[in-house]
Amino acid sequence: GENVEQHPSTLSVQEGDSAVIKCTYSDSASNYFPWYKQELGKGPQLIIDIRSNVGEKKDQRIAVTLNKTAKHFSLHITETQPEDSAVYFCAASSRGQNFVFGPGTRLSVLP
Amino acid sequence: DAGVIQSPRHEVTEMGQEVTLRCKPISGHDYLFWYRQTMMRGLELLIYFNNNVPIDDSGMPEDRFSAKMPNASFSTLKIQPSEPRDSAVYFCASSGPPRNTGELFFGEGSRLTVL
Repeated sequence: GENVEQHPSTLSVQEGDSAVIKCTYSDSASNYFPWYKQELGKGPQLIIDIRSNVGEKKDQRIAVTLNKTAKHFSLHITETQPEDSAVYFCAASSRGQNFVFGPGTRLSVLP
Repeated sequence: DAGVIQSPRHEVTEMGQEVTLRCKPISGHDYLFWYRQTMMRGLELLIYFNNNVPIDDSGMPEDRFSAKMPNASFSTLKIQPSEPRDSAVYFCASSGPPRNTGELFFGEGSRLTVL
């Protein structure tokens, strides 16, 4: 089955700096890669996603890149703000509804 | 829509007791998922339903766990008997029309503590 690894497990950045979180997956059939943000005491919420026919996608300060050959994808957050502090999860799916999540990255944005 | 609604938000029980967690998905969604979140194992898919029918329950850890979806607006996850290692946050999520993008909409979770 699919296995998703995620690094780093924790990340601290100064406000205004960029943050990068990287994930790798094992199943070459995976074709959908969402990123979820989880704030304290809440459920995860989708922030951006990418499908296998696209190499990069941007939405304001966040972007995701995908390298299907290397089986890795990354989340980039620019101009970080304190409200970006949360746990971020990557995921991979090859069968539409069966997502495998990475272990998560705890991002702290220091003022 | 109010989003995915889970109850209870917090449950503390003693080992051996039955626990029932409840979920109301977003109206119109045809997929419903139960996830368990722990520090050690992260987010694990337990079971998911499509149109009220269980599709994949391979993540259900043991026979002590069972899930039902009697109609499109309600699902339960039951643990009987509960054990301390079942302590976790249990999330329900739904997805489906009108956007049908595959996005999962999570509830706020039920934090279970088994003493």
